Amino acid sequence: QQPVQSPQAVILREGEDAVINCSSSKALYSVHWYRQKHGEAPVFLMILLKGGEQMRHEKISASFNEKKQQSSLYLTASQLSYSGTYFCGTGTKYGGSQGNLIFGKGTKLSVKP
Amino acid sequence: DAGVIQSPRHEVTEMGQEVTLRCKPISGHNSLFWYRQTMMRGLELLIYFNNNVPIDDSGMPEDRFSAKMPNASFSTLKIQPSEPRDSAVYFCASNSSTDTQYFGPGTRLTVL
Repeated sequence: QQPVQSPQAVILREGEDAVINCSSSKALYSVHWYRQKHGEAPVFLMILLKGGEQMRHEKISASFNEKKQQSSLYLTASQLSYSGTYFCGTGTKYGGSQGNLIFGKGTKLSVKP
Repeated sequence: DAGVIQSPRHEVTEMGQEVTLRCKPISGHNSLFWYRQTMMRGLELLIYFNNNVPIDDSGMPEDRFSAKMPNASFSTLKIQPSEPRDSAVYFCASNSSTDTQYFGPGTRLTVL
């Protein structure tokens, strides 16, 4: 039940936009987005909850389509610092549980000057 | 506040040796997770604890792996005996009621 992320990799020029998708075959309660830079730990970006609002972190925003069981991460006017691997983690337990997340394989984003 | 603390940061050992990885979660967090990350398999959940009790250890690869959480501020992941295919980065993460997991810096394990 690992979520599927697409694309697997994307290369951008500074200032360009990108969209990363995360799809699950299971009903989702929450979707968590993380960014990992090379040699570092994953860092939390934002959480999307079922029935919740679109979230934003700086110029990065995300949405959660409950019908499609899909979340999309929107990177606007990309900066060099956005480079890294983006992971979505899906939670299927309800009610603010502390259950585990299942992570996708990641999308590698490279922003060039 | 201090984040999740892991030690050692790097470990190089020989096949057959015992390896112990350590983790101190963020104070006040009552869930702790152990992950393994490799290029081939990505980020895999090995085991997680809630209030020091193991909840799901279905990700533990085999009996050579064991994890303990004797109190709210300390957990260990032990591999005995270690094998070259265990080489990976092992992350510990913790959370409270928000579901957001905060990751430690990881331990890079190399088994020769």
